[in-house]
Amino acid sequence: DGGITQSPKYLFRKEGQNVTLSCEQNLNHDAMYWYRQDPGQGLRLIYYSQIVNDFQKGDIAEGYSVSREKKESFPLTVTSAQKNPTAFYLCASSLGFVGGGLYNEQFFGPGTRLTVL
Amino acid sequence: GENVEQHPSTLSVQEGDSAVIKCTYSDSASNYFPWYKQELGKRPQLIIDIRSNVGEKKDQRIAVTLNKTAKHFSLHITETQPEDSAVYFCAARWDSNYQLIWGAGTKLIIKP
Repeated sequence: DGGITQSPKYLFRKEGQNVTLSCEQNLNHDAMYWYRQDPGQGLRLIYYSQIVNDFQKGDIAEGYSVSREKKESFPLTVTSAQKNPTAFYLCASSLGFVGGGLYNEQFFGPGTRLTVL
Repeated sequence: GENVEQHPSTLSVQEGDSAVIKCTYSDSASNYFPWYKQELGKRPQLIIDIRSNVGEKKDQRIAVTLNKTAKHFSLHITETQPEDSAVYFCAARWDSNYQLIWGAGTKLIIKP
């Protein structure tokens, strides 16, 4: 379903721990994105990457980190510095500027629900 | 900063009636406006989009209209069906930026 996967589906974290959420795509997309979804607030961009080895902060990057060492993978680490990490995290990918620019559809993964205990 | 406002937050319509969801955007340079549908427990999926050089676009029971002067765009669903029940998100993008700015979502409830 869309060729983009996220794992795990559910994740529980103790306060003070770092956790890493996985995102993999086999769509040959250049661009990848991480969003946080909270009830009633839509989708907020955490980080995005237009090409391998490059990424940019989104609106709510504080307390998060990413890497883009491979085109297929864009893992997100939620660090202990993120004060309120309990949320639903969505990864997405698109063709990006290489594939035609601004009008490319974003394909979403199934999401990871993170709960801090 | 750039902002997209979406209304209403919840919309309940009788099956077979039409539903309209409206979004306004703040940046006049915005040039691409997609709509995504997210069914309960599932991922968002693109249902229709429109570019700034077009005023209206239709796809079967779904249409999107754009008013660039007023900086708002709307999703229209006609002959609503139970499977239309979902949360709908609008978004906007502007030149030279690959980010989408998202609305807060509208929960559409189709009453039988």
